[in-house]
Amino acid sequence: AQSVAQPEDQVNVAEGNPLTVKCTYSVSGNPYLFWYVQYPNRGLQFLLKYITGDNLVKGSYGFEAEFNKSQTSFHLKKPSALVSDSALYFCAVRDWVRDDKIIFGKGTRLHILP
Amino acid sequence: NAGVTQTPKFQVLKTGQSMTLQCAQDMNHEYMSWYRQDPGMGLRLIHYSVGAGITDQGEVPNGYNVSRSTTEDFPLRLLSAAPSQTSVYFCASRNRGLGANAEAFFGQGTRLTVV
Repeated sequence: AQSVAQPEDQVNVAEGNPLTVKCTYSVSGNPYLFWYVQYPNRGLQFLLKYITGDNLVKGSYGFEAEFNKSQTSFHLKKPSALVSDSALYFCAVRDWVRDDKIIFGKGTRLHILP
Repeated sequence: NAGVTQTPKFQVLKTGQSMTLQCAQDMNHEYMSWYRQDPGMGLRLIHYSVGAGITDQGEVPNGYNVSRSTTEDFPLRLLSAAPSQTSVYFCASRNRGLGANAEAFFGQGTRLTVV
């Protein structure tokens, strides 16, 4: 069965510093990996995805993520954090061999300190 | 461009009442799903459907029913609401199959309180 782990409930970063939000996954086949962001009282917005190919993927709002197959990780990164990046971030995985469910992690709350 | 539309946005139910959360998408997506979001639990999959007439259970299906009579609609039914079903519910849709359009699109959510 698929699973996703986000080991940090909360990450605090000073504005202008680089940020990393961690994610590890488990699937029986090959993974599709996703990051979503949720602002207060809103739905989930898609940020970026890894399907195949280049291990470094770029997404919306300057975010990027690095796929590491040997470590089964897909960490979200941004070189310089903005206060407006403060939100709840979810990592998700889909097994493209089974092509069914997308399973989400528990989420990481990102606080960018002015 | 409506995307995924959920109704209602807010609902208060008494224990034992029934209701249906509505979800509609206009992107001709085959795959639709329902999640619930609870503090510290992330999003948990309730039920999903890979096409009209086909549904399956997710991680937390108990207390919920679904059906898929059309491609566009995927209602979630609570037959006898319980306080444990107090949550925020999200509907999502996506294309089936492999390829670039693999991500899911989410509605704005329904905040349900059962008293």
